[in-house]
Amino acid sequence: QKEVEQNSGPLSVPEGAIASLNCTYSDRGSQSFFWYRQYSGKSPELIMFIYSNGDKEDGRFTAQLNKASQYVSLLIRDSQPSDSATYLCAVLSNSGYALNFGKGTSLLVTP
Amino acid sequence: DTGVSQNPRHKITKRGQNVTFRCDPISEHNRLYWYRQTLGQGPEFLTYFQNEAQLEKSRLLSDRFSAERPKGSFSTLEIQRTEQGDSAMYLCASSFPAGGAYNEQFFGPGTRLTVL
Repeated sequence: QKEVEQNSGPLSVPEGAIASLNCTYSDRGSQSFFWYRQYSGKSPELIMFIYSNGDKEDGRFTAQLNKASQYVSLLIRDSQPSDSATYLCAVLSNSGYALNFGKGTSLLVTP
Repeated sequence: DTGVSQNPRHKITKRGQNVTFRCDPISEHNRLYWYRQTLGQGPEFLTYFQNEAQLEKSRLLSDRFSAERPKGSFSTLEIQRTEQGDSAMYLCASSFPAGGAYNEQFFGPGTRLTVL
């Protein structure tokens, strides 16, 4: 079982809608979780991190963490065509250094 | 520009040749990481430096790969006797000294390696 799993998509949402991206992880002891956005041909860009159960909001983005169910999600409100990218979920390893990434979910926001 | 920088941005080489990549982290960051990303996959961790000390290496880092950070500032990643399977984007990231539970890592633009 891969440590971090994401649906590869593509996830297609209309402009202005809420995009919901999900991620599950296998190590119950994981403490820190990150969402990165990656445009085609570019490097990952950090959007948010979360380490406590519940919701964390930053502008149009909300990260949600449920450690009991071992999933973390990212909500993007008022989706824009410029949000079209691959969203990578990453979990900090037990060493505290390495990030374990999922394969990413491709998001397409249609005008 | 105060972000992570990497050079070269693109490298095309023939199988069997050696290549070296350079990463300059954000100036106040003492932690530096190397990752590799292939098409359709997330980045995979290769190695980690805290200052000049290499503290963690992935099993992905075969004996053909070597990384250094001699003065605790920039880092180099060398691949000897390149193979076609080495073709990938090589990403460098750095993070604040605080690390710990957060360890927010910021990535450079990457070096895209193509082995012919």
